[in-house]
Amino acid sequence: EPEVTQTPSHQVTQMGQEVILRCVPISNHLYFYWYRQILGQKVEFLVSFYNNEISEKSEIFDDQFSVERPDGSNFTLKIRSTKLEDSAMYFCASGNSPVAYFGPGTRLTVT
Amino acid sequence: AQSVTQLDSQVPVFEEAPVELRCNYSSSVSVYLFWYVQYPNQGLQLLLKYLSGSTLVESINGFEAEFNKSQTSFHLRKPSVHISDTAEYFCAVSGPKGGGNKLTFGTGTQLKVEL
Repeated sequence: EPEVTQTPSHQVTQMGQEVILRCVPISNHLYFYWYRQILGQKVEFLVSFYNNEISEKSEIFDDQFSVERPDGSNFTLKIRSTKLEDSAMYFCASGNSPVAYFGPGTRLTVT
Repeated sequence: AQSVTQLDSQVPVFEEAPVELRCNYSSSVSVYLFWYVQYPNQGLQLLLKYLSGSTLVESINGFEAEFNKSQTSFHLRKPSVHISDTAEYFCAVSGPKGGGNKLTFGTGTQLKVEL
């Protein structure tokens, strides 16, 4: 059964550095998402992507964040200048409306 | 805006006992409802979903949930739990139907099954 995959599983970075989190969605899905879960808190929506553009974003998704689908298979989340409060588990998801399937997540630790 | 309330942060239960994990939602539009499960050190797995039709939905591993529009609830139940059901369970809502598909999650319920 196809799955959403994410790399790396764990990323440690210093404050102010740029990070790129990578995801390979399920191949026939049209909608792509990023969510995050700060330790001990609920899973929060960041952004959705459809037809090669952002379809919706939350207030968390400010100018420090960007998403890209560079080659038709990968889906990336870039954080330009990481802050301590960006430390979280980041989940990629994909689906064909309205169901979403999640990847295993990337744990981002900002020191 | 939508919201999801999972009142129970932790539910301890003995193996083979029944369990109910409560979920209430708030929305002014028609919604889709989901339960996701997160096993230790793993991602979110879709457990079951209500999209339309029968208000009682079932998963392959014995869980069921019933959509109750009047009570705005989508409680998850299992008549007899196993040790392997120990996990965190998240209720989520998306809508309106035909619109954006972002999920709004509850805070999760940690189900701990004991011998």
